[in-house]
Amino acid sequence: GQNIDQPTEMTATEGAIVQINCTYQTSGFNGLFWYQQHAGEAPTFLSYNVLDGLEEKGRFSSFLSRSKGYSYLLLKELQMKDSASYLCAVKYPNSGYALNFGKGTSLLVTP
Amino acid sequence: DGGITQSPKYLFRKEGQNVTLSCEQNLNHDAMYWYRQDPGQGLRLIYYSQIVNDFQKGDIAEGYSVSREKKESFPLTVTSAQKNPTAFYLCASSMFDRDYGYTFGSGTRLTVV
Repeated sequence: GQNIDQPTEMTATEGAIVQINCTYQTSGFNGLFWYQQHAGEAPTFLSYNVLDGLEEKGRFSSFLSRSKGYSYLLLKELQMKDSASYLCAVKYPNSGYALNFGKGTSLLVTP
Repeated sequence: DGGITQSPKYLFRKEGQNVTLSCEQNLNHDAMYWYRQDPGQGLRLIYYSQIVNDFQKGDIAEGYSVSREKKESFPLTVTSAQKNPTAFYLCASSMFDRDYGYTFGSGTRLTVV
């Protein structure tokens, strides 16, 4: 599968802003997703990017640069409930909508 | 309400036994997927199906089998050939022509005893 790299862990303070980066192989790129997963639960959809630029959705924004094989998820006004794992995923080439997930970034929000 | 249901939530299996995990969706989604998640790891694709009676292997299909006889159902069998089956298994579904991502089931935690 395609290599998808994310930092393993990050820590941030309540009320702050945090940026979670994701890099991927650009060959066959066809869309990038971000998911949030709380411990022991299923992932939930956060955002989808297929074109370059920033997509804003409330406190969460996602950015994509296709030429650089780079995306980031920006979380503003952090809340304690944002402590979770954040998964970056790209579509496998030539496989419909099957997604290849990175290992995820575990975010801890501290008071 | 529409959704995707996985059962059971917890499953214990003796070594050498096959076990089948259920996944049912009433969202009228075309495609269904099975992933495995190990502690501290991301999701790894086992099998996926885009239409009834057709499915493809993912990155870690060895030791697993699936069927897609109905659009709503995509059961996963963990066979005795899977050497390390203890994991969290997630089923998901999606519309084939939409880009809003997957709907996930709540998962089945399988433990070999």
